[in-house]
Amino acid sequence: DARVTQTPRHKVTEMGQEVTMRCQPILGHNTVFWYRQTMMQGLELLAYFRNRAPLDDSGMPKDRFSAEMPDATLATLKIQPSEPRDSAVYFCASGLTTGTDTQYFGPGTRLTVL
Amino acid sequence: AQTVTQSQPEMSVQEAETVTLSCTYDTSENNYYLFWYKQPPSRQMILVIRQEAYKQQNATENRFSVNFQKAAKSFSLKISDSQLGDTAMYFCAFMRGSGTYKYIFGTGTRLKVLA
Repeated sequence: DARVTQTPRHKVTEMGQEVTMRCQPILGHNTVFWYRQTMMQGLELLAYFRNRAPLDDSGMPKDRFSAEMPDATLATLKIQPSEPRDSAVYFCASGLTTGTDTQYFGPGTRLTVL
Repeated sequence: AQTVTQSQPEMSVQEAETVTLSCTYDTSENNYYLFWYKQPPSRQMILVIRQEAYKQQNATENRFSVNFQKAAKSFSLKISDSQLGDTAMYFCAFMRGSGTYKYIFGTGTRLKVLA
């Protein structure tokens, strides 16, 4: 049963600390998306990659957020320095551009910045 | 720019009954895809159903079906024989068919199935 995995599932940190979230897309998928979900803003697209190349990161605060795909099996989202307003659930999703265009979501990382 | 509107923040339905969740969208595109995702308390986003805009036939998946009205830009989700496990947030999503692969989500409808 192929699925997207994310680590950690929960993260509590203090303001100013660096946070790294990891995502393993479904094997063979060539698109990866990072979303942030909050009560106020709902689901926001932060960045997405196709064939490991960043295509759009316009939704991401550039000064503190960065997203990378070191290889086809790993995507990372980093926040440095973290702020309380970054508290949210961060989802990774993957898909296949030559398939049904459906995005398959990971379980999310719940981030709390104190 | 495309927008997706879910006008019902919360709904409830009795177990075994039928409920319809509304979604409207705005686009000038002719080729696009529409999706319904379910997010139970576990937070996992689960695909419920998918519809290609070029298909006239409404998509169905077991107890879930859609009423896709392209001219009206409406994409409602019908859940038949509601079960307690259907209790969740339901999100409608739009994706352009021109290869951007980006979803635009609605704000969600919280559905509670009552025993």
